[in-house]
Amino acid sequence: EDQVTQSPEALRLQEGESSSLNCSYTVSGLRGLFWYRQDPGKGPEFLFTLYSAGEEKEKERLKATLTKKESFLHITAPKPEDSATYLCAVQAGDGNNRLAFGKGNQVVVIP
Amino acid sequence: DTGVSQNPRHKITKRGQNVTFRCDPISEHNRLYWYRQTLGQGPEFLTYFQNEAQLEKSRLLSDRFSAERPKGSFSTLEIQRTEQGDSAMYLCASSVRGRQFFGPGTRLTVL
Repeated sequence: EDQVTQSPEALRLQEGESSSLNCSYTVSGLRGLFWYRQDPGKGPEFLFTLYSAGEEKEKERLKATLTKKESFLHITAPKPEDSATYLCAVQAGDGNNRLAFGKGNQVVVIP
Repeated sequence: DTGVSQNPRHKITKRGQNVTFRCDPISEHNRLYWYRQTLGQGPEFLTYFQNEAQLEKSRLLSDRFSAERPKGSFSTLEIQRTEQGDSAMYLCASSVRGRQFFGPGTRLTVL
């Protein structure tokens, strides 16, 4: 069974204090690893898809990287509007289309 | 707005009642997914449609749950004889080329 573990569960950052979120995964042949942002009471918002080890994607203050066992989401010089829960999900390469999600990293950026 | 839409956004019902949710995917997305999310957890996969065909069902989807996607357009998720444990956010997503885009969700509260 596909498993995704995210750490830390919660993180409080001062504005401008860069940090990284970790997503460790076990999957039978990775088709893709996805990062989403979720604000309270809303649906997840797509951020990135990574397909192979060594791949990196960037968007504004966010950068996602992928190895064979884990992914990192780096937040550079965060602002209060970056406060959200960041969800990691994997899609297996066994023909199934489902996403298996972790519990999320809850990030609070303090002004 | 051409995103995924879901109705209603909130539903409060009494235990034992039936409820139905609707999802309108992004036009031309032939794949549609239902997930369930409880507080502090990531979304859990329920079921998946490609066009009008229901191709995957999670074991989480008990006999009380049924989903349809007539004509491959909108989809409905019905829960019969609701239980308090059904209280959750029900999320719909549609996809093309592997990226799943989520709607705002329907928050179900079973009293």
